[in-house]
Amino acid sequence: EPEVTQTPSHQVTQMGQEVILRCVPISNHLYFYWYRQILGQKVEFLVSFYNNEISEKSEIFDDQFSVERPDGSNFTLKIRSTKLEDSAMYFCASKPGQFSPLHFGNGTRLTVT
Amino acid sequence: AQKVTQAQTEISVVEKEDVTLDCVYETRDTTYYLFWYKQPPSGELVFLIRRNSFDEQNEISGRYSWNFQKSTSSFNFTITASQVVDSAVYFCALSEAAGAGGTSYGKLTFGQGTILTVHP
Repeated sequence: EPEVTQTPSHQVTQMGQEVILRCVPISNHLYFYWYRQILGQKVEFLVSFYNNEISEKSEIFDDQFSVERPDGSNFTLKIRSTKLEDSAMYFCASKPGQFSPLHFGNGTRLTVT
Repeated sequence: AQKVTQAQTEISVVEKEDVTLDCVYETRDTTYYLFWYKQPPSGELVFLIRRNSFDEQNEISGRYSWNFQKSTSSFNFTITASQVVDSAVYFCALSEAAGAGGTSYGKLTFGQGTILTVHP
């Protein structure tokens, strides 16, 4: 069964550095999302992306965050200048159509030191 | 604003016991979707079920069953004859109906999760 693939599974970075989290959604999917989960807390919506643009974003998704679909297969989340509080599990998700359920990737654990 | 409350932070049971995970939600929308996800120790989010607000039929899938009651804004999840492999964090989530571009359906509001531990 096709899967949403996220790389790396774990990334450690120093505060102030830029990180790019990568996702390969399922190939025929049209809607893309990033969620994050701070350790021990609930999963939170960050941003949705459709038709090559951001459709919706949460208040968490401030100017230090950006998303891109550079080549039709990858979907990336960039954090420009990481802070300690950005440490979390970041989940990519995708779906093929309006009424389809989300398929989540296995997540990238980001640790900012 | 949407809200999902899972009042049970942790539940511990012994194998073969039945266990019910509670979920209460708040929304002003008349059309919405409800979900349950399982997060095993490995960390991924596994989709279990979705329900739309017009379908109050209970559902059974193997040892899993779901009880959706609109009158009490609840969407409870029962595992019958629990097994050690059921140990995980379980999240209830809510989404409003598709908005522009259909992406609102994918914007989920999650509850805090219930940690279920099934002991052998």
